[in-house]
Amino acid sequence: DQQVKQNSPSLSVQEGRISILNCDYTNSMFDYFLWYKKYPAEGPTFLISISSIKDKNEDGRFTVFLNKSAKHLSLHIVPSQPGDSAVYFCAFADTGNQFYFGTGTSLTVIP
Amino acid sequence: DAGVIQSPRHEVTEMGQEVTLRCKPISGHDYLFWYRQTMMRGLELLIYFNNNVPIDDSGMPEDRFSAKMPNASFSTLKIQPSEPRDSAVYFCASSRKGEYSGNTIYFGEGSWLTVV
Repeated sequence: DQQVKQNSPSLSVQEGRISILNCDYTNSMFDYFLWYKKYPAEGPTFLISISSIKDKNEDGRFTVFLNKSAKHLSLHIVPSQPGDSAVYFCAFADTGNQFYFGTGTSLTVIP
Repeated sequence: DAGVIQSPRHEVTEMGQEVTLRCKPISGHDYLFWYRQTMMRGLELLIYFNNNVPIDDSGMPEDRFSAKMPNASFSTLKIQPSEPRDSAVYFCASSRKGEYSGNTIYFGEGSWLTVV
């Protein structure tokens, strides 16, 4: 069973506009939530995270929102830049230090 | 500091051959993870180790897959015999015990496996 779902495999956004990436999860035991970014031919790299006690965390152009009641995580990128074009994975950590990843959303920012 | 190092970066092999992927985790990290990236399942956890001991191998697809961690600085993922459906990118990652922060899980650059 997929405990983490990213329902949009791809997303295209104009440069300067907002990119919104979404993720849903089923396991209420998750208590740490992350986004990773992956460029072609490279490994995923950490982008931003949020703990379950918060509902928002901001880092520059990147903001992560957590809605625990809906079991929904989102990433907002404002303004989007061509260099943001990559595959974005949401990830969740449980108390056993195990990380579960989504299927990824390929973001294309059009200049 | 060196990151997670994986080898080979690319491997093309014939069906039925044995494939061995290697990983050197970041020094001081005591969790090691093997992931496989596929279009259908994204980053799929195969197995992870804590202090060189396998903790959860429920993600290993079948008996053809095996993983070992003989010491804190080396791990292997072996596929024998390999099949075309094993073609994927295999990532090794490591993290530090007790640190729950996501930024402590670091990935290697991946091993691209093609089985023909």
